[in-house]
Amino acid sequence: KQEVTQIPAALSVPEGENLVLNCSFTDSAIYNLQWFRQDPGKGLTSLLLIQSSQREQTSGRLNASLDKSSGRSTLYIAASQPGDSATYLCAVKGRLDTGNQFYFGTGTSLTVIP
Amino acid sequence: DVKVTQSSRYLVKRTGEKVFLECVQDMDHENMFWYRQDPGLGLRLIYFSYDVKMKEKGDIPEGYSVSREKKERFSLILESASTNQTSMYLCASSDRGPLGETQYFGPGTRLLVL
Repeated sequence: KQEVTQIPAALSVPEGENLVLNCSFTDSAIYNLQWFRQDPGKGLTSLLLIQSSQREQTSGRLNASLDKSSGRSTLYIAASQPGDSATYLCAVKGRLDTGNQFYFGTGTSLTVIP
Repeated sequence: DVKVTQSSRYLVKRTGEKVFLECVQDMDHENMFWYRQDPGLGLRLIYFSYDVKMKEKGDIPEGYSVSREKKERFSLILESASTNQTSMYLCASSDRGPLGETQYFGPGTRLLVL
């Protein structure tokens, strides 16, 4: 069964700093990987989706990379702002022949200090 | 914009009650999912559905059932609520298009079983 790990569980950075969040998964036979943001008590908001054939995706100050062979993805946030404070989760979707569901990490709680 | 709505943001129920959680999506998505989210455990899949009247068990289906009579609506049923079902419940939907099945989440229902 696919296992998804996110380290660290929590991270505090001063405003303006660039930062990297990590996600690792045990089974490289994935269909895609998605990064989400979750604000306290709220649902998840999709940030970026990377197909298994892609290496990275960018949206504004966010850049997500995927290295399937090593089972890793990173989410890079440039010039962090207090409004970036939230929990960030990654999820991988298995290929049809290995189970067609999404597997989530437990998230990294990010605090950006003004 | 994709919209996924859940019938309640907060619910308080008694042990043994039958509980219905409703989820509606407005984008004609074929796939719908129910997760529960607990601290330290992340999101765990309860049930999912790939078509009307179709359902598949996720990782933790015990104590739950689902209904999908119409494409836009996916209901989660707690047959006899227990205190260990106190949790945040999140509904999601996804498409099967070329973007690789981005998941869209509702705002969540926080359920307390007394």
